[in-house]
Amino acid sequence: GEDVEQSLFLSVREGDSSVINCTYTDSSSTYLYWYKQEPGAGLQLLTYIFSNMDMKQDQRLTVLLNKKDKHLSLRIADTQTGDSAIYFCAESMDSSYKLIFGSGTRLLVRP
Amino acid sequence: ETGVTQTPRHLVMGMTNKKSLKCEQHLGHNAMYWYKQSAKKPLELMFVYNFKEQTENNSVPSRFSPECPNSSHLFLHLHTLQPEDSALYLCASSQISNSGNTIYFGEGSWLTVV
Repeated sequence: GEDVEQSLFLSVREGDSSVINCTYTDSSSTYLYWYKQEPGAGLQLLTYIFSNMDMKQDQRLTVLLNKKDKHLSLRIADTQTGDSAIYFCAESMDSSYKLIFGSGTRLLVRP
Repeated sequence: ETGVTQTPRHLVMGMTNKKSLKCEQHLGHNAMYWYKQSAKKPLELMFVYNFKEQTENNSVPSRFSPECPNSSHLFLHLHTLQPEDSALYLCASSQISNSGNTIYFGEGSWLTVV
């Protein structure tokens, strides 16, 4: 079946790098996404990666995909207090409009 | 971000009330969604509309009734809800194509059932 798992909580110091991890079970996943949810707000699409890519970089964000291990990570460089939020990993398949979400990782950035 | 707009942002209703949540997307997408987010469960897909046709009803109780009059508007009609229905209801839209399905969310409607 389809399942996406994330650790629940991560705490980092301001200025450090944050790495949020995600594992998924469906090997036919085509696209993998990272969303950010700030308190009281909806989900904001941060970035996504196609399954034939290993890495994608966008400013402070780096996404790494290990398709063999079905492992996705999001690295945030120079983490700021404004990065404190819940980060959701999600997967979808080419033939489906459904996104399967993980439970979210709460990132706390300490000053 | 005003691509997907939801109203009201906050709603308190009694168990015997009837209310509606409204969603509008300004992105020219062909699909719209309702998701439920509660503290106890991961994001749950409730309904999907593709070109105004409902293509997914994820075993949602009949006290939730969706309506999609056109590809830009989506409603969720609520009646005789239970306190456990209190949650954040997120509307989303996407352009379904052969090159993927990137979903964009609204800010959500916080619903409290008393």
